[in-house]
Amino acid sequence: SQTIHQWPATLVQPVGSPLSLECTVEGTSNPNLYWYRQAAGRGLQLLFYSVGIGQISSEVPQNLSASRPQDRQFILSSKKLLLSDSGFYLCAWRGNYEQYFGPGTRLTVT
Amino acid sequence: AQKVTQAQTEISVVEKEDVTLDCVYETRDTTYYLFWYKQPPSGELVFLIRRNSFDEQNEISGRYSWNFQKSTSSFNFTITASQVVDSAVYFCALSEYASGGSYIPTFGRGTSLIVHP
Repeated sequence: SQTIHQWPATLVQPVGSPLSLECTVEGTSNPNLYWYRQAAGRGLQLLFYSVGIGQISSEVPQNLSASRPQDRQFILSSKKLLLSDSGFYLCAWRGNYEQYFGPGTRLTVT
Repeated sequence: AQKVTQAQTEISVVEKEDVTLDCVYETRDTTYYLFWYKQPPSGELVFLIRRNSFDEQNEISGRYSWNFQKSTSSFNFTITASQVVDSAVYFCALSEYASGGSYIPTFGRGTSLIVHP
């Protein structure tokens, strides 16, 4: 069966510090992968998606970037965090048509 | 462009009541997919159901049932005899067929369901 992992679970970072969030999927090959952010108020904002290694599509211009160095690894990064980057970050992979989400990372930028 | 509307921001019920969460969608495609997800307080979104545009059969899974009506562009979700554990935010989503396989879904803003004991 497929499993999706995200870490860390929670993170508190000062403004201006770098960020690296990692997501890995097990039990499937060449999955479509997605990064979402959920700020207070519940809405899901798609940040990046990837249909294969090295292929990244950005949905929202911002100070975040994503990379897919391996088939089942998806990384979200920032060189300098802003206060507005605080939120709940979710990684997902696509099954047949639905998405399966990881446990999420709660990021607080102070 | 696709759009999903969940007009109910928050619903509060007492345990054992039935509750229906509404979802209305817009799409120009004839082939599309509809989904419901549950987000409990822990935060992880859990996939509940997928419906294809060419399959209007309603579905029942235990206390959960889904009513898909293309004529009204709605995909409503009913919980029968609600329980406290049903308290969560529920998201409806729509995905159109996309060449290249990207399948980017559009999510509604979610409905927060609070079930009181």
